[in-house]
Amino acid sequence: GQNIDQPTEMTATEGAIVQINCTYQTSGFNGLFWYQQHAGEAPTFLSYNVLDGLEEKGRFSSFLSRSKGYSYLLLKELQMKDSASYLCASLDSNYQLIWGAGTKLIIKP
Amino acid sequence: DGGITQSPKYLFRKEGQNVTLSCEQNLNHDAMYWYRQDPGQGLRLIYYSQIVNDFQKGDIAEGYSVSREKKESFPLTVTSAQKNPTAFYLCASSMAEGYNEQFFGPGTRLTVL
Repeated sequence: GQNIDQPTEMTATEGAIVQINCTYQTSGFNGLFWYQQHAGEAPTFLSYNVLDGLEEKGRFSSFLSRSKGYSYLLLKELQMKDSASYLCASLDSNYQLIWGAGTKLIIKP
Repeated sequence: DGGITQSPKYLFRKEGQNVTLSCEQNLNHDAMYWYRQDPGQGLRLIYYSQIVNDFQKGDIAEGYSVSREKKESFPLTVTSAQKNPTAFYLCASSMAEGYNEQFFGPGTRLTVL
């Protein structure tokens, strides 16, 4: 079956660094997406990885290991506005997105 | 401004009534999608369409219907056959198959009383 696992909730302190992990098992693999979703709003695109390695984009970085079926999203210099849910999604062999349940990130002052 | 619009933001209906959720995009995207989001669960695909006048069922299509008569529009009807319709509904679009970053509308929260 297809499965995406990520922690349900994480808490971090303003100004700190947090890593949100995601493991995936999908039929075929054509890339891994991370989206941010504030409560009651639409998800917004953060990153896409299809090759192994780290992609850095400002305060946010995303890592992929295809052999391990593993990705993480790294958020640096946390700000209060980073409080949101972070959704991991794998693009399967049919180019359909398989979504994780999301990780709710709580930032404390 | 290019984007995806969904209306209304909040919708209330009585049990047994059909209701249609609108989704319009002016991004010139070929593909459009409807997802349902419930607390503690990932987005689940209801229907998707890659081209006008064609659409496919997703994982949870039962109790829903769609049409794609125009490239810009992909309305979703929640029928009385849907057992548990109260949810947050998200419409998305993307350029084409393959690497398909999806752009989402603001969502419609449907409550069936």
